[in-house]
Amino acid sequence: DGGITQSPKYLFRKEGQNVTLSCEQNLNHDAMYWYRQDPGQGLRLIYYSQIVNDFQKGDIAEGYSVSREKKESFPLTVTSAQKNPTAFYLCASSMGQGETQYFGPGTRLLVL
Amino acid sequence: ILNVEQSPQSLHVQEGDSTNFTCSFPSSNFYALHWYRWETAKSPEALFVMTLNGDEKKKGRISATLNTKEGYSYLYIKGSQPEDSATYLCAFILFSWGKLQFGAGTQVVVTP
Repeated sequence: DGGITQSPKYLFRKEGQNVTLSCEQNLNHDAMYWYRQDPGQGLRLIYYSQIVNDFQKGDIAEGYSVSREKKESFPLTVTSAQKNPTAFYLCASSMGQGETQYFGPGTRLLVL
Repeated sequence: ILNVEQSPQSLHVQEGDSTNFTCSFPSSNFYALHWYRWETAKSPEALFVMTLNGDEKKKGRISATLNTKEGYSYLYIKGSQPEDSATYLCAFILFSWGKLQFGAGTQVVVTP
């Protein structure tokens, strides 16, 4: 059953803590993306990766980091430098950049 | 960051009525426009990818048109049904960027 999975569904972060959001896809897609959604705003691109071992900053990369060691996996770390991390985070993948994107179910991050 | 505007922000439609709404985007260096449907508690799913001026796409009762010269796309829902209730997102790509820029969405509520 092909698709994209994200975990956890909800994540709580304490002050000064780094947390990592998981994103896995078995669609054999080359490109993967991380978006953030805040109320009343469109999806904003945090980071994207066109191929394994390569990734690029999106529009709001500050306070976030990623890795792309495997084609299937694109984890996002929200660091303590991200001062306003409370948001809904969506991961997506596509065959190539600019092509139809397939989204995971999302992770909601809350700050304690 | 280039702006994608969607209007209206939300609309309520009576079951059986038809409706339409707009996505506006910068018209220069256009590459492609995507439409996604995002139902509550689900992942966004792709409706259309449109690339050519004058393109018209159809999927069941939902259709879309594209005018790249003036920078807008319309999405139409014919004979709205409660299952059409969702937020409809548009996103465009500039050729030189290759990244999707999303609008904030139009939330459609269809009441029986």
